[in-house]
Amino acid sequence: DAGVIQSPRHEVTEMGQEVTLRCKPISGHDYLFWYRQTMMRGLELLIYFNNNVPIDDSGMPEDRFSAKMPNASFSTLKIQPSEPRDSAVYFCASSPQRKSLGNEQFFGPGTRLTVL
Amino acid sequence: AQKVTQAQTEISVVEKEDVTLDCVYETRDTTYYLFWYKQPPSGELVFLIRRNSFDEQNEISGRYSWNFQKSTSSFNFTITASQVVDSAVYFCALSEDNFNKFYFGSGTKLNVKP
Repeated sequence: DAGVIQSPRHEVTEMGQEVTLRCKPISGHDYLFWYRQTMMRGLELLIYFNNNVPIDDSGMPEDRFSAKMPNASFSTLKIQPSEPRDSAVYFCASSPQRKSLGNEQFFGPGTRLTVL
Repeated sequence: AQKVTQAQTEISVVEKEDVTLDCVYETRDTTYYLFWYKQPPSGELVFLIRRNSFDEQNEISGRYSWNFQKSTSSFNFTITASQVVDSAVYFCALSEDNFNKFYFGSGTKLNVKP
């Protein structure tokens, strides 16, 4: 089975440009998570969805960031306008509906974003 | 307050040495789940193990073993006879009951030298 798919794998853009990151979760998974990883702040949860509905977006840094999940197989994370401090690796992860044993999250390969 | 603490920022060992990575967590829930992930230099995050709060049995998988102790709120990870391929950043994570949200530790970078 295909794992979590993210695109693009690398993105280089200039400050002020709009950036859109894409994620396809594992089929049948009900939860989708967006994380950001930097050296300074480690792995940060930005937002997560359950059945396409945003549940917790308290980690979204500011209004320049937005995320959508229009259907069960696709999600986007948009940054508009981008700034150099947004440079990071952005991970998407998915997990199945919680069961009694808990559920691990399966991570995509990440998108390395560089904002010049 | 940090829910998951990995106090060891970086550890260096020589191949074939045993190494233990520490993880201390904090939660008020009686039902919770603990995880370890590996992030090799290639960057992907790889799931290693899941543990629930009601199962304190230690687990061994090949050269990997995990020691879960509720009394000290710790979930430590030991690699026996380390190999160069074990070089990676290892993350411990906590998920509390009623949520599917993970709290990750800051990670421990393990360098295994030949």
